[in-house]
Amino acid sequence: AQTVTQSQPEMSVQEAETVTLSCTYDTSESNYYLFWYKQPPSRQMILVIRQEAYKQQNATENRFSVNFQKAAKSFSLKISDSQLGDTAMYFCAFMKGGATNKLIFGTGTLLAVQP
Amino acid sequence: GAVVSQHPSWVICKSGTSVKIECRSLDFQATTMFWYRQFPKQSLMLMATSNEGSKATYEQGVEKDKFLINHASLTLSTLTVTSAHPEDSSFYICSVGQGRYEQYFGPGTRLTVT
Repeated sequence: AQTVTQSQPEMSVQEAETVTLSCTYDTSESNYYLFWYKQPPSRQMILVIRQEAYKQQNATENRFSVNFQKAAKSFSLKISDSQLGDTAMYFCAFMKGGATNKLIFGTGTLLAVQP
Repeated sequence: GAVVSQHPSWVICKSGTSVKIECRSLDFQATTMFWYRQFPKQSLMLMATSNEGSKATYEQGVEKDKFLINHASLTLSTLTVTSAHPEDSSFYICSVGQGRYEQYFGPGTRLTVT
């Protein structure tokens, strides 16, 4: 069975600074996808970024980038130039390949961006 | 991406009654929908996969007689919490699967059982 671990329950960062959220996972699958989702106070789940396991290049989306270390089974999220609107719960998630679309979520990291 | 709605957004019911939550895919025909449960300050736990025209697939530990799922059309899946009790109070989220890996989430439904 796959597991996703987020070891940082809470983090805080100053506005405009950079912060990195950690995530590790465990799987025996070779074809899979990794995601970071954001859940703001509204509780609407928002996709932040996606990484396909077969791609060596780290995914980037504007201020968000990942450090994907496949051998170490690590998938961290870096947020640059943090903004107050980035305050949210962030979930790392794993999906096995094969069009099952089933997501396994980590326990989440609550990020607070301080003015 | 798909637009997903849920109704109601918040429901309060008395212990022992049943409550139905609707999940609609507004602009996409969804053969597969997912139901999650989220306790306060906790992660999303997948409850079941809802398949259009067939029985739902429940995750281990989820009572299928307690949480009835019906996916009667390509745009609607319903979750009925039967004989609800206070411990069923939670935030329920549905999502729609699309393509190889896309998943679009509804805004969630807060259930409070008194």
